[in-house]
Amino acid sequence: GAGVSQSPSNKVTEKGKDVELRCDPISGHTALYWYRQSLGQGLEFLIYFQGNSAPDKSGLPSDRFSAERTGGSVSTLTIQRTQQEDSAVYLCASSLGGTGFPSYEQYFGPGTRLTVT
Amino acid sequence: GENVEQHPSTLSVQEGDSAVIKCTYSDSASNYFPWYKQELGKRPQLIIDIRSNVGEKKDQRIAVTLNKTAKHFSLHITETQPEDSAVYFCAAYPSFLGNEKLTFGTGTRLTIIP
Repeated sequence: GAGVSQSPSNKVTEKGKDVELRCDPISGHTALYWYRQSLGQGLEFLIYFQGNSAPDKSGLPSDRFSAERTGGSVSTLTIQRTQQEDSAVYLCASSLGGTGFPSYEQYFGPGTRLTVT
Repeated sequence: GENVEQHPSTLSVQEGDSAVIKCTYSDSASNYFPWYKQELGKRPQLIIDIRSNVGEKKDQRIAVTLNKTAKHFSLHITETQPEDSAVYFCAAYPSFLGNEKLTFGTGTRLTIIP
């Protein structure tokens, strides 16, 4: 079946503009995660959804960042008034969610490379 | 919350030798420990995982060991090959609903020297 997809794959934007990044999880996966990865760095957790709710938003760097998920499926990450330090690869992952070990495995999308000029 | 430390940050080994990457975690309630491999320019992919009721798991040339008492787990790669060159991330998962997120280590860049 189809894996996690993200769009766009690359986005170049000017400082101060708003951007929207999209994630389509694997069908049936109730948990969805956003991470940020700067060049050569680790995985920085941003936010996770269980269904349409976001139990943990602790990783969002500032109030310029927001995310939503509708219909328990597609999620969008919005960055307002982008800054150069927002340049990074934004990765989305999904998992079955709920209890039980098979539910924990996260499948990552290919990422969106954001460049703020 | 959970805190995962990973060592070393970089590791170079001769082709054919073994590589070991170690992680420690802080939350004794964590019960699932996956390892992800990320090749250059690619997405992270799960290569092996271990549950808290198991001490060791093997899959061909890779193995993971878990010491719950000491709260650490390790990735072992034997007979390393050039295609093993990548960044490896360990992670820990809590055992209760309401906080279903992985906490990742900071990554180890493994380089296999031909």
